[in-house]
Amino acid sequence: EVQLVESGGALVQPGGSLRLSCAASGFTFSSYWMHWVRQAPGRGLVWVSRINSDGYSISYADSVKGRFTISRDNAKNTLYLQMNSLRAEDTAVYYCARDAYNSGWFDPWGQGTLVTVSS
Amino acid sequence: SYELTQPPSVSVSPGQTASITCSGDKLGDKYASWYQQKPGQSPVVVIYQSFKRPSGIPERFSGSNSGNTATLTISGTQAMDEADYYCQAWDSSTGVFGGGTKLTVL
Repeated sequence: EVQLVESGGALVQPGGSLRLSCAASGFTFSSYWMHWVRQAPGRGLVWVSRINSDGYSISYADSVKGRFTISRDNAKNTLYLQMNSLRAEDTAVYYCARDAYNSGWFDPWGQGTLVTVSS
Repeated sequence: SYELTQPPSVSVSPGQTASITCSGDKLGDKYASWYQQKPGQSPVVVIYQSFKRPSGIPERFSGSNSGNTATLTISGTQAMDEADYYCQAWDSSTGVFGGGTKLTVL
């Protein structure tokens, strides 16, 4: 069974840092592009970042560029999102999602991990 | 920056057809995908590459995309289809989601 499990969400103060992880199983992780998507409480989905299969092609939403870093460890089947200089508006559930067939659509999604930025 | 616009809400009676639109500049030149999200759950893809349906998604879900508008159509809508629906497309290497549409089946 294809499975994505996020972890690392927490309450953090503005200006702080956090690293999210997404453990993948049930498929050949190293063959797939991966994404992070977030959803603020009661709001819609927002794409955050994407990384290709070998980690050398990366893109970010303007809202996180320069503050967030996506990476992956194919030996550990794990996707990461390093978040620095966190702001209140970064408060959201963060989902990791596989890029199905590396064609730009997301399937499946993990269960999400909640990041709360507040003093 | 590229934007996708969806109606905030759509209502439909059980058994009727629901249509949810997604508008964006020259969206018909791109692939659109659609995601269903029920309360407290993660999103699930229901349409990809504008009109393709993943395995396991009922045939009543269909998609089209032309001009500036992509449309998700649910034929014979059932109570279980009540959910938030999001369209998504790519603007170069940046992903964009629509604001979401709450589908109410009443």
